[in-house]
Amino acid sequence: EAQVTQNPRYLITVTGKKLTVTCSQNMNHEYMSWYRQDPGLGLRQIYYSMNVEVTDKGDVPEGYKVSRKEKRNFPLILESPSPNQTSLYFCASSLGQAQPQHFGDGTRLSIL
Amino acid sequence: KQEVTQIPAALSVPEGENLVLNCSFTDSAIYNLQWFRQDPGKGLTSLLLIQSSQREQTSGRLNASLDKSSGRSTLYIAASQPGDSATYLCAVHGNQGGKLIFGQGTELSVKP
Repeated sequence: EAQVTQNPRYLITVTGKKLTVTCSQNMNHEYMSWYRQDPGLGLRQIYYSMNVEVTDKGDVPEGYKVSRKEKRNFPLILESPSPNQTSLYFCASSLGQAQPQHFGDGTRLSIL
Repeated sequence: KQEVTQIPAALSVPEGENLVLNCSFTDSAIYNLQWFRQDPGKGLTSLLLIQSSQREQTSGRLNASLDKSSGRSTLYIAASQPGDSATYLCAVHGNQGGKLIFGQGTELSVKP
């Protein structure tokens, strides 16, 4: 089944403790992206990747890192999480920029 | 900077009605525009994607139009059903690279 898989789905952690949210797609998609969704602010793009080893900033990249070493994986790294990064995070992928995006089910992060 | 606005923020209609959701964007230099559906607690599902050179796309009871010059798109839903209840989001891909900007969404409720 074609899908975008995020892990974990839920995480409660503390300020400053490094964490990684994994994202994997099995559709051989070139484009992958991370978003956060907050009440009143909607969905905002954090980082995106047009292909392996190519990443670029979205609208809210501060406090996040990404890497794209393989086509299928696009992990989101929070080196030193802070409470303002408490949010619902989505990973998405598409065949290319001009193609419909497929979204994962989301990761709810709470940082205390 | 591209801004995407959706009006209304919420809409409640009786079953069977035809309805229109609106999306406007400030910069007409777009690559494409997508409409998504989001169910509570779920990720986004792509409904329709309109390339910048197209005027409309249709899928079943859904029809999306695009008027680049006026910076507007509409999503028309024919013969609405309770199962159409969800939040509908539009998103614009700019011409410069892979950034995707979302509107805040319209929360639709279709009453039986």
